[in-house]
Amino acid sequence: DGGITQSPKYLFRKEGQNVTLSCEQNLNHDAMYWYRQDPGQGLRLIYYSQIVNDFQKGDIAEGYSVSREKKESFPLTVTSAQKNPTAFYLCASRSTRSYTTPYNEQFFGPGTRLTVL
Amino acid sequence: DAKTTQPNSMESNEEEPVHLPCNHSTISGTDYIHWYRQLPSQGPEYVIHGLTSNVNNRMASLAIAEDRKSSTLILHRATLRDAAVYYCILRDTAATGNQFYFGTGTSLTVIP
Repeated sequence: DGGITQSPKYLFRKEGQNVTLSCEQNLNHDAMYWYRQDPGQGLRLIYYSQIVNDFQKGDIAEGYSVSREKKESFPLTVTSAQKNPTAFYLCASRSTRSYTTPYNEQFFGPGTRLTVL
Repeated sequence: DAKTTQPNSMESNEEEPVHLPCNHSTISGTDYIHWYRQLPSQGPEYVIHGLTSNVNNRMASLAIAEDRKSSTLILHRATLRDAAVYYCILRDTAATGNQFYFGTGTSLTVIP
């Protein structure tokens, strides 16, 4: 089955440590996204990538870094510079090819809940 | 960036229709209207989207005002599985990356 996987589901980190969240998709989608969700809030865009080896900052990129070395993978690193990293992190992907169905819809992974101790 | 406004919460009785409103008074001509829903501790899932005309699919209907400044998601018969947070989102097709702008959504409670 095609889909997006995120691991781990729950992650605990000590203050001052970097941590990397995994996101993998086998949907053959070109575009991938990382969002952050705080309790009772909507999703805020951290980074996005439209193609391999290219990515752009979203609205809240400070304290985060990403890489896109493979089409299927878009890992997110939460660095020690992120002042308040405890949140629910969601990865999504989207087809950019107009002949696919559904075109331009984002498919989301199950999320990773990060807690800083 | 165009934004959306939704009621924080709504209730519906099971098997009754539900109309979830959304205001987007600053919508531009290149913005699509999308609806996603999110169950607790899960990622959002696509519900429906449209540009100008009303849309129907197996999950819901989307009614778009003639001036496009508001829209309504219609669930024809609410079930307990429809209890979720519903997000009305504008997708800016003119922006790099086709970004989706999520608001805080409407939390729908379905009463048995």
